[in-house]
Amino acid sequence: DGGITQSPKYLFRKEGQNVTLSCEQNLNHDAMYWYRQDPGQGLRLIYYSQIVNDFQKGDIAEGYSVSREKKESFPLTVTSAQKNPTAFYLCASSITDLNTEAFFGQGTRLTVV
Amino acid sequence: AQSVAQPEDQVNVAEGNPLTVKCTYSVSGNPYLFWYVQYPNRGLQFLLKYITGDNLVKGSYGFEAEFNKSQTSFHLKKPSALVSDSALYFCAVRDSSNTGKLIFGQGTTLQVKP
Repeated sequence: DGGITQSPKYLFRKEGQNVTLSCEQNLNHDAMYWYRQDPGQGLRLIYYSQIVNDFQKGDIAEGYSVSREKKESFPLTVTSAQKNPTAFYLCASSITDLNTEAFFGQGTRLTVV
Repeated sequence: AQSVAQPEDQVNVAEGNPLTVKCTYSVSGNPYLFWYVQYPNRGLQFLLKYITGDNLVKGSYGFEAEFNKSQTSFHLKKPSALVSDSALYFCAVRDSSNTGKLIFGQGTTLQVKP
């Protein structure tokens, strides 16, 4: 069953804590992306990686960190420096050709309590 | 800078009527355009894409999109709407620089009423 898997589906965090969101794909895609979704704001890019051991900041990287040690995995850490972390987080992957679509995971809803 | 605009926050249509969800874009070079659909608390599902060639692109679930280069538009259409089409729709364009990232519009909520 090929695809992209995000876990957990729901996550609650206390203020001041770091949390890590998991994203795994078995599609053999080189590129992986993290987006944040807030109501009425569409999807905003946090970080992206086009190849193992390399990643770049997106439009809203402050307060987040990532790693890309394996092709299949692209975990996102939401640090205590992120002022407003409550949001829906989406991971995606694709091959690097511009004419191909990206595949999305089912998302993780993070709530700060 | 490349961008995508969806001018309507919400589109309402009666079941059985045709629907259109609008999208305009601004890119340098050739546009690589995509439509995605999102159901509540779910990820995005790919509907269709325009790469080059025919201006009318057919996709999943009976949806199609019309590419218009002179108007820089890529509107999503369906001849006969279903209640189950009610969802959030996103238009996106690939960044033609070497990042390849997808740039999304704000999204349009489609409400199909019985």
